[in-house]
Amino acid sequence: GENVEQHPSTLSVQEGDSAVIKCTYSDSASNYFPWYKQELGKRPQLIIDIRSNVGEKKDQRIAVTLNKTAKHFSLHITETQPEDSAVYFCAASMDTDKLIFGTGTRLQVFP
Amino acid sequence: NAGVTQTPKFRILKIGQSMTLQCTQDMNHNYMYWYRQDPGMGLKLIYYSVGAGITDKGEVPNGYNVSRSTTEDFPLRLELAAPSQTSVYFCASSYGPARYEQYFGPGTRLTVT
Repeated sequence: GENVEQHPSTLSVQEGDSAVIKCTYSDSASNYFPWYKQELGKRPQLIIDIRSNVGEKKDQRIAVTLNKTAKHFSLHITETQPEDSAVYFCAASMDTDKLIFGTGTRLQVFP
Repeated sequence: NAGVTQTPKFRILKIGQSMTLQCTQDMNHNYMYWYRQDPGMGLKLIYYSVGAGITDKGEVPNGYNVSRSTTEDFPLRLELAAPSQTSVYFCASSYGPARYEQYFGPGTRLTVT
Protein backbone atom coordinates (compact mmCIF):
# COMPACT_ATOMS: atom_id res chain seq x y z
CA GLY A 1 0.00 0.00 0.00
CA GLU A 2 0.88 3.68 -0.06
CA ASN A 3 3.51 4.99 2.34
CA VAL A 4 4.27 8.65 2.99
CA GLU A 5 7.52 9.82 4.57
CA GLN A 6 7.82 13.35 5.94
CA HIS A 7 10.92 15.36 6.87
CA PRO A 8 12.04 16.99 9.02
CA SER A 9 10.21 15.97 12.18
CA THR A 10 10.97 19.33 13.79
CA LEU A 11 11.89 22.67 12.24
CA SER A 12 12.81 25.91 13.96
CA VAL A 13 13.02 29.18 12.04
CA GLN A 14 13.33 32.87 12.81
CA GLU A 15 10.29 35.01 12.16
CA GLY A 16 10.41 36.27 8.59
CA ASP A 17 12.47 33.35 7.29
CA SER A 18 11.13 30.66 4.98
CA ALA A 19 10.27 27.08 5.98
CA VAL A 20 10.21 24.01 3.75
CA ILE A 21 8.73 20.62 4.62
CA LYS A 22 9.20 17.65 2.29
CA CYS A 23 7.21 14.47 1.76
CA THR A 24 7.90 11.41 -0.33
CA TYR A 25 5.25 8.92 -1.43
CA SER A 26 5.70 5.37 -2.61
CA ASP A 27 2.84 4.67 -5.03
CA SER A 28 3.10 6.39 -8.40
CA ALA A 29 -0.69 6.07 -8.75
CA SER A 30 -1.21 8.70 -6.01
CA ASN A 31 -2.78 11.81 -7.48
CA TYR A 32 -3.97 14.01 -4.63
CA PHE A 33 -1.72 15.61 -2.00
CA PRO A 34 -3.20 17.76 0.79
CA TRP A 35 -1.48 19.52 3.67
CA TYR A 36 -3.12 19.85 7.07
CA LYS A 37 -2.12 22.20 9.90
CA GLN A 38 -2.70 21.32 13.55
CA GLU A 39 -2.19 24.03 16.13
CA LEU A 40 -1.41 22.95 19.67
CA GLY A 41 -4.40 21.22 21.23
CA LYS A 42 -6.56 21.82 18.17
CA ARG A 43 -7.94 19.71 15.35
CA PRO A 44 -6.15 19.33 11.98
CA GLN A 45 -7.35 21.70 9.24
CA LEU A 46 -6.70 21.68 5.51
CA ILE A 47 -4.48 24.57 4.40
CA ILE A 48 -3.63 23.71 0.80
CA ASP A 49 -3.75 20.79 -1.60
CA ILE A 50 -2.46 19.87 -5.04
CA ARG A 51 -3.49 17.38 -7.67
CA SER A 52 -1.13 15.42 -9.89
CA ASN A 53 -1.92 17.42 -13.02
CA VAL A 54 -0.45 20.56 -11.42
CA GLY A 55 3.20 21.24 -10.55
CA GLU A 56 2.75 24.13 -8.14
CA LYS A 57 -0.01 25.89 -6.26
CA LYS A 58 0.17 29.07 -4.18
CA ASP A 59 -2.08 30.67 -1.61
CA GLN A 60 -0.65 33.89 -0.18
CA ARG A 61 2.41 32.91 1.89
CA ILE A 62 2.10 29.16 1.39
CA ALA A 63 2.84 27.09 -1.68
CA VAL A 64 3.05 23.43 -2.53
CA THR A 65 5.21 21.91 -5.27
CA LEU A 66 4.92 18.43 -6.75
CA ASN A 67 7.56 16.39 -8.55
CA LYS A 68 5.79 13.31 -9.92
CA THR A 69 8.95 11.82 -11.39
CA ALA A 70 10.74 11.83 -8.03
CA LYS A 71 7.48 11.13 -6.15
CA HIS A 72 7.86 13.94 -3.70
CA PHE A 73 6.01 17.13 -2.81
CA SER A 74 6.89 20.04 -0.55
CA LEU A 75 5.21 22.76 1.49
CA HIS A 76 6.82 26.19 1.38
CA ILE A 77 5.96 28.92 3.88
CA THR A 78 7.46 32.35 3.23
CA GLU A 79 7.77 35.28 5.66
CA THR A 80 6.97 33.02 8.59
CA GLN A 81 5.05 34.45 11.53
CA PRO A 82 4.60 33.16 15.11
CA GLU A 83 1.06 32.01 14.24
CA ASP A 84 2.57 29.61 11.70
CA SER A 85 3.87 27.57 14.65
CA ALA A 86 2.03 24.23 14.48
CA VAL A 87 2.35 20.62 13.37
CA TYR A 88 2.00 20.17 9.62
CA PHE A 89 0.91 16.89 8.05
CA CYS A 90 1.22 15.90 4.44
CA ALA A 91 -0.96 13.17 2.94
CA ALA A 92 -1.44 11.27 -0.29
CA SER A 93 -4.34 9.50 -1.96
CA MET A 94 -4.72 7.27 -5.02
CA ASP A 95 -8.16 8.58 -5.89
CA THR A 96 -9.63 6.22 -3.32
CA ASP A 97 -11.66 6.73 -0.17
CA LYS A 98 -8.59 7.05 2.05
CA LEU A 99 -5.78 9.45 2.83
CA ILE A 100 -2.40 8.20 4.01
CA PHE A 101 -0.77 10.76 6.30
CA GLY A 102 2.88 11.49 6.95
CA THR A 103 4.25 11.54 10.50
CA GLY A 104 4.09 15.32 10.87
CA THR A 105 6.53 18.22 11.20
CA ARG A 106 6.54 20.47 14.25
CA LEU A 107 7.34 23.99 13.06
CA GLN A 108 8.42 26.58 15.62
CA VAL A 109 8.73 30.21 14.56
CA PHE A 110 10.76 32.31 16.97
CA PRO A 111 10.18 36.08 17.18
CA ASN B 1 -23.52 24.36 11.96
CA ALA B 2 -21.65 22.62 14.77
CA GLY B 3 -19.56 20.68 12.21
CA VAL B 4 -18.05 17.50 13.65
CA THR B 5 -18.53 16.91 17.37
CA GLN B 6 -16.99 14.21 19.55
CA THR B 7 -17.67 13.00 23.06
CA PRO B 8 -16.12 12.58 25.52
CA LYS B 9 -13.13 14.95 25.39
CA PHE B 10 -11.13 12.94 27.89
CA ARG B 11 -11.44 9.45 29.30
CA ILE B 12 -9.38 7.14 31.48
CA LEU B 13 -10.06 3.43 31.12
CA LYS B 14 -8.76 0.46 33.00
CA ILE B 15 -7.29 -2.46 31.06
CA GLY B 16 -10.07 -4.73 29.83
CA GLN B 17 -12.84 -2.14 30.03
CA SER B 18 -14.91 -1.18 27.00
CA MET B 19 -16.24 2.15 25.79
CA THR B 20 -17.77 3.91 22.81
CA LEU B 21 -16.44 7.14 21.37
CA GLN B 22 -19.22 9.19 19.85
CA CYS B 23 -18.95 11.21 16.64
CA THR B 24 -21.68 13.29 15.01
CA GLN B 25 -21.62 15.61 12.00
CA ASP B 26 -24.33 17.98 10.80
CA MET B 27 -22.98 18.70 7.32
CA ASN B 28 -24.79 15.81 5.62
CA HIS B 29 -21.45 14.30 4.64
CA ASN B 30 -21.46 10.75 3.31
CA TYR B 31 -17.86 9.98 4.24
CA MET B 32 -16.71 9.61 7.84
CA TYR B 33 -13.38 8.51 9.29
CA TRP B 34 -11.79 7.54 12.58
CA TYR B 35 -8.09 8.27 13.13
CA ARG B 36 -5.76 7.80 16.04
CA GLN B 37 -2.86 10.15 16.65
CA ASP B 38 0.15 8.90 18.57
CA PRO B 39 3.11 11.20 19.33
CA GLY B 40 5.45 11.40 16.34
CA MET B 41 3.34 8.94 14.36
CA GLY B 42 0.94 11.10 12.44
CA LEU B 43 -2.67 10.15 11.85
CA LYS B 44 -3.49 6.49 11.34
CA LEU B 45 -6.83 5.49 9.83
CA ILE B 46 -8.77 3.03 11.99
CA TYR B 47 -12.08 2.65 10.13
CA TYR B 48 -14.04 4.63 7.62
CA SER B 49 -17.52 4.74 6.13
CA VAL B 50 -18.73 5.87 2.71
CA GLY B 51 -22.35 6.05 3.73
CA ALA B 52 -24.96 4.74 6.15
CA GLY B 53 -24.69 0.98 6.50
CA ILE B 54 -21.24 0.77 4.87
CA THR B 55 -17.97 0.54 6.81
CA ASP B 56 -14.46 -0.62 5.99
CA LYS B 57 -11.15 -1.17 7.73
CA GLY B 58 -8.31 1.30 7.63
CA GLU B 59 -4.63 0.84 8.51
CA VAL B 60 -5.03 -0.09 12.21
CA PRO B 61 -8.49 -1.66 12.84
CA ASN B 62 -7.56 -4.34 15.40
CA GLY B 63 -9.24 -3.84 18.76
CA TYR B 64 -11.93 -1.53 17.39
CA ASN B 65 -15.39 -1.78 15.88
CA VAL B 66 -17.66 0.72 14.17
CA SER B 67 -21.21 1.04 12.94
CA ARG B 68 -22.98 3.58 10.72
CA SER B 69 -26.72 3.38 11.12
CA THR B 70 -27.33 7.04 10.17
CA THR B 71 -25.59 9.62 8.00
CA GLU B 72 -24.88 11.79 11.04
CA ASP B 73 -23.37 9.32 13.53
CA PHE B 74 -20.27 7.15 13.39
CA PRO B 75 -19.44 5.66 16.82
CA LEU B 76 -16.16 3.86 17.52
CA ARG B 77 -16.26 0.95 19.96
CA LEU B 78 -13.23 -0.20 21.95
CA GLU B 79 -13.54 -3.70 23.34
CA LEU B 80 -11.15 -4.96 26.03
CA ALA B 81 -9.06 -1.79 26.21
CA ALA B 82 -5.27 -2.21 26.20
CA PRO B 83 -2.47 0.28 27.04
CA SER B 84 -1.54 0.32 23.33
CA GLN B 85 -4.87 2.07 22.67
CA THR B 86 -3.79 5.11 24.66
CA SER B 87 -3.98 7.85 22.06
CA VAL B 88 -5.88 10.86 20.79
CA TYR B 89 -8.79 9.86 18.59
CA PHE B 90 -10.10 12.11 15.83
CA CYS B 91 -13.29 11.69 13.88
CA ALA B 92 -13.54 13.38 10.48
CA SER B 93 -16.09 13.75 7.72
CA SER B 94 -16.07 14.81 4.08
CA TYR B 95 -18.54 15.38 1.28
CA GLY B 96 -16.82 12.85 -0.97
CA PRO B 97 -13.80 10.53 -1.14
CA ALA B 98 -10.19 11.34 -0.26
CA ARG B 99 -9.72 14.29 -2.64
CA TYR B 100 -12.38 16.26 -0.75
CA GLU B 101 -11.48 18.27 2.35
CA GLN B 102 -11.83 16.35 5.58
CA TYR B 103 -13.33 18.20 8.54
CA PHE B 104 -12.05 17.00 11.87
CA GLY B 105 -13.70 16.88 15.26
CA PRO B 106 -12.00 18.24 18.40
CA GLY B 107 -10.63 14.84 19.41
CA THR B 108 -10.91 12.48 22.38
CA ARG B 109 -7.87 11.91 24.58
CA LEU B 110 -7.98 8.34 25.87
CA THR B 111 -5.67 6.84 28.48
CA VAL B 112 -5.72 3.13 29.26
CA THR B 113 -4.00 2.15 32.52
